[in-house]
Amino acid sequence: NAGVTQTPKFRILKIGQSMTLQCTQDMNHNYMYWYRQDPGMGLKLIYYSVGAGITDKGEVPNGYNVSRSTTEDFPLRLELAAPSQTSVYFCASSYPGQGTGYSNQPQHFGDGTRLSIL
Amino acid sequence: AQSVTQPDIHITVSEGASLELRCNYSYGATPYLFWYVQSPGQGLQLLLKYFSGDTLVQGIKGFEAEFKRSQSSFNLRKPSVHWSDAAEYFCAVALEYGNKLVFGAGTILRVKS
Repeated sequence: NAGVTQTPKFRILKIGQSMTLQCTQDMNHNYMYWYRQDPGMGLKLIYYSVGAGITDKGEVPNGYNVSRSTTEDFPLRLELAAPSQTSVYFCASSYPGQGTGYSNQPQHFGDGTRLSIL
Repeated sequence: AQSVTQPDIHITVSEGASLELRCNYSYGATPYLFWYVQSPGQGLQLLLKYFSGDTLVQGIKGFEAEFKRSQSSFNLRKPSVHWSDAAEYFCAVALEYGNKLVFGAGTILRVKS
């Protein structure tokens, strides 16, 4: 059972380039998330999805886009890379809760993608 | 707005000593609370969670945490620290709808021999 798999693990981009961070999970989780981690700041939610075809903004969505065409995959797109997007990016997934989705189910995290923009 | 505060950025303890990492949250409803651990270059691993019932919860690797509603706290404890516990620890609260997590800034634990 692979869990949550992120690719690539490392990437260096030039300012203005674009790229897609890949995330796939094999646990049949409905919910998926993208976070960025900056030193001393904890993790900040970029986007999340409660199911295929449904995405919503998190706390820091500017400069990013997502799509969710399948349950397994949740790619994160950077269209015009900027130095402020240098960070470590984590994808996570979880089971949904009962009812409206408020849940005590833990999130399962990938190992991260370390992205530098120069 | 919901928030999580971890007052200690760094903590250093001797191997074999006890450990307490502090976490305070701000949230109107009954919170769902989590502690995660992150080893260098790795993703986050769940240590334990609280959502109802007994306010003292047990987790993996010998960790426990106590939920105190009156103090809005969810402190993590371990009676005897091992060198392998050196890592960064994150406290988080889950929000309604979508199970979104709000994280604290993290506490880096160093263990000296």
